[in-house]
Amino acid sequence: ILNVEQSPQSLHVQEGDSTNFTCSFPSSNFYALHWYRWETAKSPEALFVMTLNGDEKKKGRISATLNTKEGYSYLYIKGSQPEDSATYLCALTGQAAGNKLTFGGGTRVLVKP
Amino acid sequence: DTGVSQDPRHKITKRGQNVTFRCDPISEHNRLYWYRQTLGQGPEFLTYFQNEAQLEKSRLLSDRFSAERPKGSFSTLEIQRTEQGDSAMYLCASSLADPGLQYFGPGTRLLVL
Repeated sequence: ILNVEQSPQSLHVQEGDSTNFTCSFPSSNFYALHWYRWETAKSPEALFVMTLNGDEKKKGRISATLNTKEGYSYLYIKGSQPEDSATYLCALTGQAAGNKLTFGGGTRVLVKP
Repeated sequence: DTGVSQDPRHKITKRGQNVTFRCDPISEHNRLYWYRQTLGQGPEFLTYFQNEAQLEKSRLLSDRFSAERPKGSFSTLEIQRTEQGDSAMYLCASSLADPGLQYFGPGTRLLVL
């Protein structure tokens, strides 16, 4: 059973500030790491999928890094805007998982104007 | 809109009734997944299909749950004799390759009274 943990569970960010949060996973059973953004009443939106140690991905003001040896990924939001308010989910695909995703509990981000 | 669609978006039912949800994936995607999300948790894997073949079922999927994808296109998830513990958001996702991004629908929110 894969155990994916995200911290913090929630955070409040002032508009314009940058922030980051963590996803940790068992390094011994890694195939791919996915990040999603989920706004209320909408579909979870795929942000990134990363497979290689040291991978860095960027999409606008959002970026992610991956360390498969120590089992963590960071998601960064630069210059937070109110539209960044959402729950950010990370999910792991393990080596024998058949591409099914094992999700963490999410980090709920609220950006205050 | 060519994304993943789900129907209905909301369902309220009485305990003991049967319910059926539908998912229409992105048309060229051969993989289709069902997940369930309860309050405060990340989504949990239920089952997945490659074309019309159901390749894996989670232990979360009791005998009251059945999923089909008869022609390798849309899928249905049926819950028989619903229980209050079945109340959750049921999410469908589709993808192409492994470990390709999974694209999610907006979900069906089920409330069992």
